[in-house]
Amino acid sequence: DGGITQSPKYLFRKEGQNVTLSCEQNLNHDAMYWYRQDPGQGLRLIYYSQIVNDFQKGDIAEGYSVSREKKESFPLTVTSAQKNPTAFYLCASRRGLGLEAFFGQGTRLTVV
Amino acid sequence: AQKVTQAQTEISVVEKEDVTLDCVYETRDTTYYLFWYKQPPSGELVFLIRRNSFDEQNEISGRYSWNFQKSTSSFNFTITASQVVDSAVYFCALTPLEVIQGAQKLVFGQGTRLTINP
Repeated sequence: DGGITQSPKYLFRKEGQNVTLSCEQNLNHDAMYWYRQDPGQGLRLIYYSQIVNDFQKGDIAEGYSVSREKKESFPLTVTSAQKNPTAFYLCASRRGLGLEAFFGQGTRLTVV
Repeated sequence: AQKVTQAQTEISVVEKEDVTLDCVYETRDTTYYLFWYKQPPSGELVFLIRRNSFDEQNEISGRYSWNFQKSTSSFNFTITASQVVDSAVYFCALTPLEVIQGAQKLVFGQGTRLTINP
């Protein structure tokens, strides 16, 4: 079945460590997105990408990094520079400009 | 910059009541797209509807209806005869026309948590 797969579902990180969240899609979509969800703040855009090897910062990119080496994959690294990384992270993709996005099931990251 | 505001943080109603979720947006673009998504407890967002800024016709799909008013920059969502299964967080979103290196932003509101009580 076509879809977006995020892994792992739950992730625990020690303070000061980098951690990478995986996002893979087999929908042949060009655009991919990463969002952070905190209670009461909705979805905030971290990074987005339209094509391989290119991506743009969203509204809260500080402390995060991404890569887009393959069309299907858009991993997000949460670096030690991100001061409050505990949150629910959602990855999305969409086929073209102006069209609806499809979402993965999310990764819940907790700093311990 | 674009902005989507969902002023209602939480709504709680009794089953079979009608409920309206408000969405107000800001954008300088004359062409844009609006969306509604549903987030059940599982966490994955489910697409409900997409609307082009030039199409102000209201839309009805079963118990769901959407009222788009460009003059007030609003795109409200009504559930008629609500059911317990409608309980979820609902998000309104906006894609502006602006394209940066081929990519468009997709901006979300804060979400409204809807609880339908039996």
